Amino acid sequence: DTEVTQTPKHLVMGMTNKKSLKCEQHMGHRAMYWYKQKAKKPPELMFVYSYEKLSINESVPSRFSPECPNSSLLNLHLHALQPEDSALYLCASSQTPWEFYEQYFGPGTRLTVT
Amino acid sequence: AQSVTQLGSHVSVSEGALVLLRCNYSSSVPPYLFWYVQYPNQGLQLLLKYTSAATLVKGINGFEAEFKKSETSFHLTKPSAHMSDAAEYFCAVSGNNAGNMLTFGGGTRLMVKP
Repeated sequence: DTEVTQTPKHLVMGMTNKKSLKCEQHMGHRAMYWYKQKAKKPPELMFVYSYEKLSINESVPSRFSPECPNSSLLNLHLHALQPEDSALYLCASSQTPWEFYEQYFGPGTRLTVT
Repeated sequence: AQSVTQLGSHVSVSEGALVLLRCNYSSSVPPYLFWYVQYPNQGLQLLLKYTSAATLVKGINGFEAEFKKSETSFHLTKPSAHMSDAAEYFCAVSGNNAGNMLTFGGGTRLMVKP
């Protein structure tokens, strides 16, 4: 099973809402990632979790809050977002954090902030 | 620092014609190189990866890529395009950093004409 699942597929939220994105993998991977992808652009790395610990935060605004409850799950908590945060949010995982290993991507959550 | 340049943001070929998508990289250390494909409204799927084992790498769906150190290139080819190959293609590099951070090229949209 080489699948990364993400829920929900689509999310519409107002600027005062609080919502969460969920990502799950059962490949035994120990590194998980959040990316943001705007239309017609490559993915931009937001966070990296390595062995359930946050190892990289690419200067992401605090209205995005990641959480890794266990080695299979990754959440992204959203609060007080702005319309420019509307994008496709992709989760990925890899066997370990080392650059040798390819990342497996989920299908993404399409987020619209109104 | 490492970077990736994909020449041609749009490439159009006829069905059955050769597909050639160009990727040049810059890296201070031997790189790990990846090609990913993204179909509309989906996540990224790994086509192939180079990790120094062999310079000619075969991937899924009939794609292959050749690593040329002297040209710092990793171009993606497929002998005969199929309509289902129409998608966005991303070249990415990783190496010499913690957290398996991928650096993506800007992407190339492949269009296949009947």
